[in-house]
Amino acid sequence: GAGVSQSPSNKVTEKGKDVELRCDPISGHTALYWYRQSLGQGLEFLIYFQGNSAPDKSGLPSDRFSAERTGGSVSTLTIQRTQQEDSAVYLCASSQRAGGLGELFFGEGSRLTVL
Amino acid sequence: DQQVKQNSPSLSVQEGRISILNCDYTNSMFDYFLWYKKYPAEGPTFLISISSIKDKNEDGRFTVFLNKSAKHLSLHIVPSQPGDSAVYFCAAANTGNQFYFGTGTSLTVIP
Repeated sequence: GAGVSQSPSNKVTEKGKDVELRCDPISGHTALYWYRQSLGQGLEFLIYFQGNSAPDKSGLPSDRFSAERTGGSVSTLTIQRTQQEDSAVYLCASSQRAGGLGELFFGEGSRLTVL
Repeated sequence: DQQVKQNSPSLSVQEGRISILNCDYTNSMFDYFLWYKKYPAEGPTFLISISSIKDKNEDGRFTVFLNKSAKHLSLHIVPSQPGDSAVYFCAAANTGNQFYFGTGTSLTVIP
């Protein structure tokens, strides 16, 4: 597709279950970012992949969160043993290059609700 | 520790008037700044950017101003239109690294 694609668009799960969120970046974009937006909050950085470099995981809130990017393209964000405070919209973005001089293109997000 | 701050959570402006959205940052290493617009249930979309070598960038009704000494940037929308009603996020980056976003300002343009 032409844009960043995320799935599922909505996910409702029970506390304690694991969830996986998927992101298909724009073809050829080397940088991929995960952010989340909790209700009434701004965009919170989670993790960032740039090419074959080690990802910047500094934003992951706990060890229940992990992400991988296979083949430099598709990324999966995994949340284990979900908690109610994990409820948020999880946004994926990609960029032709990291940081400066490259704008981010966002997907529409995956809305996670933990009951 | 919020490196990018938008201190006004909301702003209301009459149609046709100027909207001014403000953003402050703390990291002097940031060299690239962007504004994003977000409608409900959609991902943010890029609006305008500026690099640290400039102090102004204009694109149609949108102008971004950068004051490096004050670590402050602003987005001016003139004239404001009802379709501009959205949440606006500012973002900053140091080349080669991640983007930091502010908490957003919800703009309402009143017809």
